[in-house]
Amino acid sequence: AQKVTQAQTEISVVEKEDVTLDCVYETRDTTYYLFWYKQPPSGELVFLIRRNSFDEQNEISGRYSWNFQKSTSSFNFTITASQVVDSAVYFCALSEEGNTGFQKLVFGTGTRLLVSP
Amino acid sequence: DGGITQSPKYLFRKEGQNVTLSCEQNLNHDAMYWYRQDPGQGLRLIYYSQIVNDFQKGDIAEGYSVSREKKESFPLTVTSAQKNPTAFYLCASRGLGLAVDTQYFGPGTRLTVL
Repeated sequence: AQKVTQAQTEISVVEKEDVTLDCVYETRDTTYYLFWYKQPPSGELVFLIRRNSFDEQNEISGRYSWNFQKSTSSFNFTITASQVVDSAVYFCALSEEGNTGFQKLVFGTGTRLLVSP
Repeated sequence: DGGITQSPKYLFRKEGQNVTLSCEQNLNHDAMYWYRQDPGQGLRLIYYSQIVNDFQKGDIAEGYSVSREKKESFPLTVTSAQKNPTAFYLCASRGLGLAVDTQYFGPGTRLTVL
C-alpha cells in the first residue's frame, strides 16, 4: 500500500531562517507522482509542485526548492529566507494512477510551519 | 475567473439531519473529488467522479452520497447515517488527458454538528 510520512508535526522558525520540510513515501509503482500543497489558515489547499518519478532534478522556484531522491524515497521541501506569510500547513502527497485514468492522492498528515517576526 | 467554489463556508447541522454541500467548477475539468479533513490529519477520499452520471466510492464513503448530473457540479450530501460528520470538507477537480494533471481544490466547507 502507498504511504506518505511527514514526521515533523510542527516547526517554528524566526523570519529569514531557512526551513526544510521532510516527506518520505512508500510505493511499489515504478511510475508515480509526488505533490506538495500549502494550506493557509483560510483552509484552501494551494498547489505548489508536481514531480514525476522519472525526473529527479531538483527544482527551484523563488524562495522554494524541492529535493527529490528516489534512493531514499524522499521529496523534501525547503523554504529559504522564510516569511510570516509562509505560515501554513504543508502537505506532501503521492498519486496512485489507476488503469481508468483515476488519480488517487495519498496525503501525509501535514507539517504546520509557524514563522514568527 | 476560473476556479472551484464551495458553499457554504460554514454549516451547522443538528443531529439526524441531512445536509448538502455544494461544489462547482468552471475549469472544464472532467474529474471531481470530495475529501474529508480532520484536525491533525491528512485528507481522506470520500467519493470521486470521472464523468457525468458516474461516481465511485472512495475510502470513507459510508454515510455520504453524491450526484453528478452536470460536469460543473458535484454536490455531497452528508446523511444522518454518518456517525461523526463534524469535519472540514474539500472539493477538488482535475482535467483528464494523456498526461497526468493536478487536482485543484476549492476553499472548503466546515461542517459542525450541534
